[in-house]
Amino acid sequence: DGGITQSPKYLFRKEGQNVTLSCEQNLNHDAMYWYRQDPGQGLRLIYYSQIVNDFQKGDIAEGYSVSREKKESFPLTVTSAQKNPTAFYLCASSLRDIGRAEAFFGQGTRLTVV
Amino acid sequence: QKEVEQNSGPLSVPEGAIASLNCTYSDRGSQSFFWYRQYSGKSPELIMFIYSNGDKEDGRFTAQLNKASQYVSLLIRDSQPSDSATYLCAVRTAGGTSYGKLTFGQGTILTVHP
Repeated sequence: DGGITQSPKYLFRKEGQNVTLSCEQNLNHDAMYWYRQDPGQGLRLIYYSQIVNDFQKGDIAEGYSVSREKKESFPLTVTSAQKNPTAFYLCASSLRDIGRAEAFFGQGTRLTVV
Repeated sequence: QKEVEQNSGPLSVPEGAIASLNCTYSDRGSQSFFWYRQYSGKSPELIMFIYSNGDKEDGRFTAQLNKASQYVSLLIRDSQPSDSATYLCAVRTAGGTSYGKLTFGQGTILTVHP
């Protein structure tokens, strides 16, 4: 089955620790996205990538880093510089062609700082 | 000004009524427009996409796009209690350094009461 897989589903982080959230897709999509969602809020864009080895900052990139070494994978690292990382993180992917640009989401990772 | 803004909620409608959800966007270079539905604790799922001015119908859902007014809406006819969810408007940019950026509004909570 084609789809987007995020892991883990739940993640607990200690203060000052870096953690990496995994996002893998087998839809052959070029574009991938990371969003953060806080309770009762919409989705805020962290980073996005249209092609391998290239990515752009979104609206709230500070304290996060990404890599795009493979088309299928777009991992997100939440660094210790992110002061309030507790949130629901969503990864999405889409075709790069603007005319066929529907984005599909993984099931999300819920990150909690303990 | 936020890039994508949705009408403030929550919105409550009786079963069988029409629910109207609205969204405005600021970037005239936007080319693709999407409506997602998100149930509590779940990831967003695509309901409708629209690329051209005018109306697009799919079952009980109608999306309307007016690029001159930078406005997109979603009508839900014969609303059902199962339609109760948060509805997210999303806009994808086609030009310049933000090519492919997919931005979401803050969401509108819809409640359909029996």
